Amino acid sequence: GQSLEQPSEVTAVEGAIVQINCTYQTSGFYGLSWYQQHDGGAPTFLSYNALDGLEETGRFSSFLSRSDSYGYLLLQELQMKDSASYFCAVYTGGFKTIFGAGTRLFVKA
Amino acid sequence: GAGVSQSPSNKVTEKGKDVELRCDPISGHTALYWYRQSLGQGLEFLIYFQGNSAPDKSGLPSDRFSAERTGGSVSTLTIQRTQQEDSAVYLCASSPSRGYNNEQFFGPGTRLTVL
Repeated sequence: GQSLEQPSEVTAVEGAIVQINCTYQTSGFYGLSWYQQHDGGAPTFLSYNALDGLEETGRFSSFLSRSDSYGYLLLQELQMKDSASYFCAVYTGGFKTIFGAGTRLFVKA
Repeated sequence: GAGVSQSPSNKVTEKGKDVELRCDPISGHTALYWYRQSLGQGLEFLIYFQGNSAPDKSGLPSDRFSAERTGGSVSTLTIQRTQQEDSAVYLCASSPSRGYNNEQFFGPGTRLTVL
């Protein structure tokens, strides 16, 4: 079957750095995306990695290792507004995207 | 500009009734997706449209679920003879066909409650 594994919850302190890991097992792989979803809101796109390495966008960075079927989202200088759920998602081809169950991030003051 | 819109925002129905959920994608986006999200869970892929055709219907949970898209724009997801397990948030997303980063733009969702 196809699966994405990510921690269910992560807690961190305001101003700190947090890493959310994602491992995947899918029948096809074209790229790994990350989405943020606040309670009651719609998922919003954060990043996409098609090739190995680190992609940086402001306070957020995303990493991919295709050989390890592994990626992570790195959030720096955490702010209270970063408290949300974060989903990794694999684009498997044929316009199909498989989402993980999500990691709930709690940022404490 | 306008984003993806969905209606209704909330729908409460009785078990056994049919419901129709609507999605208006971003103008010009040729790809449209439907997902289902149960409370505290991830997104479950339901169906994808490229233009008006749905090459992948494998995610539809049962034959009570159907979807169509007309004019390469608006899409409706219909659930017949609703069951309590159909209660969830139904999310629609659109994208400009094969964008370089596969970014999908999500609507606010329809929260369906089946009593």
